[in-house]
Amino acid sequence: ILNVEQSPQSLHVQEGDSTNFTCSFPSSNFYALHWYRWETAKSPEALFVMTLNGDEKKKGRISATLNTKEGYSYLYIKGSQPEDSATYLCALDGSQGNLIFGKGTKLSVKP
Amino acid sequence: NAGVTQTPKFQVLKTGQSMTLQCAQDMNHEYMSWYRQDPGMGLRLIHYSVGAGITDQGEVPNGYNVSRSTTEDFPLRLLSAAPSQTSVYFCASGPGTGSNQPQHFGDGTRLSIL
Repeated sequence: ILNVEQSPQSLHVQEGDSTNFTCSFPSSNFYALHWYRWETAKSPEALFVMTLNGDEKKKGRISATLNTKEGYSYLYIKGSQPEDSATYLCALDGSQGNLIFGKGTKLSVKP
Repeated sequence: NAGVTQTPKFQVLKTGQSMTLQCAQDMNHEYMSWYRQDPGMGLRLIHYSVGAGITDQGEVPNGYNVSRSTTEDFPLRLLSAAPSQTSVYFCASGPGTGSNQPQHFGDGTRLSIL
């Protein structure tokens, strides 16, 4: 079973701070990497699907990069807002569409 | 477009009871899956299906059965509920590997086994 590691486990920042967190995975057996945003009491919401080494994707103040050769992806949030508070999940699509999830990074943004 | 619909949203069972968690999607997705979410454990795959008539086990399949008689529906059955199955269950669907598309999740079913 593929192992997906996310760090840090939790993060507390002030409104306006920029922040980033990491997803690490085995660089072999890679097909696609998914990022999801998960608010408490809601369902995970897709942010990005990344497949190519060097891929960079952006949605508003959130962006992500992918390095498949070294097995990591970074998620960046520029100018964090309280509404960005959520758990950010990384998942690896290794085969057949199965997603192997990391345990997530829980972000808290204080006003 | 309803997306992925899970029922019920909440359920309390006694140990040994059986029940079925329902999941339906209206996006004509071939791939469907069930996850459970427990504190400190993230989302763990229980069972999945790559198309009607095809199912397979995920990381934590014990105590659960599934079937996929239609593309739209993927019910999860607990045959004899145990307290260890207290969890939040999420159903997801997607086009499958090769589509570069994300999976879509239902709102979850919160299940408590007494």
